[in-house]
Amino acid sequence: DAKTTQPPSMDCAEGRAANLPCNHSTISGNEYVYWYRQIHSQGPQYIIHGLKNNETNEMASLIITEDRKSSTLILPHATLRDTAVYYCIVRGTNFGANSKLTFGKGITLSVRP
Amino acid sequence: NAGVTQTPKFQVLKTGQSMTLQCAQDMNHNSMYWYRQDPGMGLRLIYYSASEGTTDKGEVPNGYNVSRLNKREFSLRLESAAPSQTSVYFCASSENPPGAIYNSPLHFGNGTRLTVT
Repeated sequence: DAKTTQPPSMDCAEGRAANLPCNHSTISGNEYVYWYRQIHSQGPQYIIHGLKNNETNEMASLIITEDRKSSTLILPHATLRDTAVYYCIVRGTNFGANSKLTFGKGITLSVRP
Repeated sequence: NAGVTQTPKFQVLKTGQSMTLQCAQDMNHNSMYWYRQDPGMGLRLIYYSASEGTTDKGEVPNGYNVSRLNKREFSLRLESAAPSQTSVYFCASSENPPGAIYNSPLHFGNGTRLTVT
C-alpha cells in the first residue's frame, strides 16, 4: 500500500469547516483513499473512502485531486467531539499475509470553543 | 446495533498465563480481523478471517491463535503470554473480504487493553 503524509496537528474553531490534508504521491490506480479517526481510548472509526471521485456522507466530504496524489477530508461544521487523531490511509486490493493497515501517526485535530 | 463488541475491556496477566479475547459483530460481515496497537507502531495485523471457516496469518502472528467460531465471532488466544504482548488489541470486521475488487471499510471495536507482567 502507498505511503501517506499528513501534518502532525491542526486546530479549528467550533462551527467552522476543518480541512485535513493528506499526500499520497505514490498511489497506484487500484488503491483507495480511506479516512479513519480515533478518539482517545476508542477504536478507530471509519469516516469515508474514495477511489477518484469526490465523496460525501453524513460525516464528511472527501476531495481527491485529479492526479490522485493528494486528498482533503472536510468536516463541514466541526464540533468539540470531532477532536481526535485522523488517519489517512491508502489501501489496495492486494491483501496478503504481510499486508497491514498502516495508520501512521495521523493528524491531531483540536477543535477549540 | 452494537457493531463490533470486544471482551474483556481490560486484562492483566502474568507471564506464561493464557487467555482468550472475544470478539463478536452483528453486521453480518464476512471478514474479521485482529490488530494490535502499540505506541509509534500504528496498527499491525495479527490474523484475519476472510470468511467463515478460513483464517490467515497477518504481519505479527507469532504467539497467537485464532478461531472463527461462526460468522459473528472471531476469538484471539494467547497460549503463553509474554510481556511483549502488552498492547491494545482491536477486533474489526468488513463486509467484503480483503482483496475484493470493491474495497469495504473496516469497523473496529473499542479494544482490549492487555498488560502482561
